[in-house]
Amino acid sequence: GENVEQHPSTLSVQEGDSAVIKCTYSDSASNYFPWYKQELGKRPQLIIDIRSNVGEKKDQRIAVTLNKTAKHFSLHITETQPEDSAVYFCAASHATSGSRLTFGEGTQLTVNP
Amino acid sequence: GAVVSQHPSRVICKSGTSVKIECRSLDFQATTMFWYRQFPKKSLMLMATSNEGSKATYEQGVEKDKFLINHASLTLSTLTVTSAHPEDSSFYICSASRLAGVSGELFFGEGSRLTVL
Repeated sequence: GENVEQHPSTLSVQEGDSAVIKCTYSDSASNYFPWYKQELGKRPQLIIDIRSNVGEKKDQRIAVTLNKTAKHFSLHITETQPEDSAVYFCAASHATSGSRLTFGEGTQLTVNP
Repeated sequence: GAVVSQHPSRVICKSGTSVKIECRSLDFQATTMFWYRQFPKKSLMLMATSNEGSKATYEQGVEKDKFLINHASLTLSTLTVTSAHPEDSSFYICSASRLAGVSGELFFGEGSRLTVL
């Protein structure tokens, strides 16, 4: 089955700096890669996603890049703000598994004012 | 649109009792619902996949007799933790997909924190 690895497990940045979180996946048939933000005790919220026919996607301060050959994708947050502090999860979905997602282990991002 | 509601948000029960958690898609028909368990500071662990009108598919290591899942309609799935014990205490989250057989966005419920005394 699919295996998703996420790094780093914790990330601390100063307000205004950029943050990058990286994930690798094992199944070359995976074609959907969402990123979720989860605040303590709350539900995961989709912040951006990318499909395998696209190499990069951007939404304001958030961007995701995908390298299918290397089987890795990354989340980039620019101009970080304290409210960006949360746990971020990457995930991958196999083409034939519908919406069954395999999640990475998560990254605790802390943005220091 | 695409709201998933989960109830109850918190439940405390005595050891040996059963607890039912409901997951509803409020404004769309959910062809597939997923149930996850999340331990503190850990990732979401998929427990089972539930399709309306059919038996749930459980992940390896998840006891189907312990965690009963029913998906009776396109808007409701329930998870019943039977004969709960303290080790079943956890955060349980459901999610729903509205696109059958297509990799797509999942919509998550608010989660239910179960504490078994």
